[in-house]
Amino acid sequence: GEDVEQSLFLSVREGDSSVINCTYTDSSSTYLYWYKQEPGAGLQLLTYIFSNMDMKQDQRLTVLLNKKDKHLSLRIADTQTGDSAIYFCAESYQGGGNKLTFGTGTQLKVEL
Amino acid sequence: DSGVTQTPKHLITATGQRVTLRCSPRSGDLSVYWYQQSLDQGLQFLIQYYNGEERAKGNILERFSAQQFPDLHSELNLSSLELGDSALYFCASSVGGRGERNTGELFFGEGSRLTVL
Repeated sequence: GEDVEQSLFLSVREGDSSVINCTYTDSSSTYLYWYKQEPGAGLQLLTYIFSNMDMKQDQRLTVLLNKKDKHLSLRIADTQTGDSAIYFCAESYQGGGNKLTFGTGTQLKVEL
Repeated sequence: DSGVTQTPKHLITATGQRVTLRCSPRSGDLSVYWYQQSLDQGLQFLIQYYNGEERAKGNILERFSAQQFPDLHSELNLSSLELGDSALYFCASSVGGRGERNTGELFFGEGSRLTVL
């Protein structure tokens, strides 16, 4: 079955880069996603990557995918206090019509 | 604003009661998903509907049921509520189906926070 794992916490200083890591088990994943959840809010899609890509860059966000190791990472450049949130990686489940399996979430805390 | 509307935003009820959570998907989206978020279980997939029919089932208890209506809105019914059912329940929608538009992206509502006392 699918399983997605993330570290629970990450603390960085404002202006530094943040790297959030994720490992998944379903080798048939087609898309992998990064979602952001701010306190008291729903999940918001940040970016996604198709499984035949190694890297995707979108402004301050860089996604790296190592399909061999089933490892996904999200790098946030020049991290700001507004980036403090919980970040979830997710994979699409091919057997059931785009059902996403989410990781446990990584709480990012940005300190001044 | 994701375009997904959930009501109510907050709900407090007692054990043994029954509640109904409602979700209106984004305009044009055919798939609706329900997720439960709790501190100890994380974000758990409950069930998915596509154009009125059940498409996938996750860790949904037998006390819970859902349906998607012809106008594509969905309801999640939770019955015989227990303290452990207290959680944030999210609805999400997506385009669904095949085709280039379908990147599998889910659009989430702001959730319904259920507190069972």
